[in-house]
Order: sequence, then structure tokens, then C-alpha cells
Amino acid sequence: DTGVSQDPRHKITKRGQNVTFRCDPISEHNRLYWYRQTLGQGPEFLTYFQNEAQLEKSRLLSDRFSAERPKGSFSTLEIQRTEQGDSAMYLCASSPPGAGEIQETQYFGPGTRLLVL
Amino acid sequence: AQSVSQHNHHVILSEAASLELGCNYSYGGTVNLFWYVQYPGQHLQLLLKYFSGDPLVKGIKGFEAEFIKSKFSFNLRKPSVQWSDTAEYFCAVIRREGRRALTFGSGTRLQVQP
Repeated sequence: DTGVSQDPRHKITKRGQNVTFRCDPISEHNRLYWYRQTLGQGPEFLTYFQNEAQLEKSRLLSDRFSAERPKGSFSTLEIQRTEQGDSAMYLCASSPPGAGEIQETQYFGPGTRLLVL
Repeated sequence: AQSVSQHNHHVILSEAASLELGCNYSYGGTVNLFWYVQYPGQHLQLLLKYFSGDPLVKGIKGFEAEFIKSKFSFNLRKPSVQWSDTAEYFCAVIRREGRRALTFGSGTRLQVQP
């Protein structure tokens, strides 16, 4: 499978614990995005990387959230001191280098479903 | 900031019925538009997209969408739905310039009855 992969697919944690999710983009895709989706809503943008540089961060990304993409390949999203409101599906997407339509088309992974008890 | 409205939250159709799902966006500048589909148990998949040119775009599985700039709309259509079209459909926009974030609507759940 050459699509975007995410690990783990499911995570149950207790309030106050830290969690880390991993995203592996499609090979050679230089742009990587994180979104959060809660029940009954569409995905909401969290952050965006071009290669290893984090170029955009949403106001949704509180100081408990941190994302990295150290070598411009895979990315991690860490949530510290989890709260019940963090329960959601965390989606990763990637897009290829290029211009216009090519680089603007995002391909999504299966997501990591987080449940904070 | 831009926003996307999908007015139909849950649509139930019989097989062979025609489908039209509404999508309106609010943003004063130029945008690119997308429809994504999420089949039960699967991840978001791109259905079709509009960047420029013919405002009537065709996607996979017989879907099409029409961009009407004056109405800020990008409605999704299919002349005859199948049971396998049961899924959640999301409209999304991205600015031509500036922020690279997709803004999604809240989605429309389509249920096709055999």
C-alpha cells in the first residue's frame, strides 16, 4: 500500500497522559498536514509542513500540542496532558511537490482515533 | 476566514434516484474546491476537484459538480445513485493564495436504500 499511513489506528488513554501519533506520507510528498475530526463534523486543520518546516499552525493547536517532521519524511503529533475534549480522529494528509493543482491536492490517511477517558 | 456550508446533513435515497448535495462557501477571494467521500470504515478519498476552466467537473464513479461563482456554490450531483454510494460526503475549499489549509463543511451522510 503506497498511501498515507498512520500509527496507531486507535488509542485509548487516561486524562493527563501524553500520547504521540505518527504519520508516514506518500513517498516523495513534501507537504504534510494534520487535521482533527470530531463526531458529526468535517476535518479541522491543525498544522502544515513543507519538508521539515512547520509553516502554519491553527489556533486549535494549543500549547499542549506539538508536531514535528524532523527529516522532512514522517511526522509526529504529540498531545501532552490529554483532556477528554481531545477525543477525536486525528487525520494526516500529504501532497506532492509541483505547482497549482498537483501540489494542492491532499491525500488522506486512515486516521488515529483517540479516546481520552 | 473562509467557511463552508453543507445544508443537507442526512439524505436518504432509493437506488436509481438522482442526487444533488449542496455546498456553499464564503470567501471573497479565489478558491479551489473539492469533494471528498468517506465510505464506511474507510478513509477520506478525493471524489473530484475544481481549479480552473470548465466549471462543470467530472469525478470518479459518475459524480460531477458545478462551480457557480456568482452563488459561491459547488454542488455535487449524480444522475442515478447506487447502494454502494452510501457514504459521507465532504465539500472543502482552499484559498488560491495564502493559507494552505483545507476548510471542510460538516459533511452530508448519504444513505442509499436498495
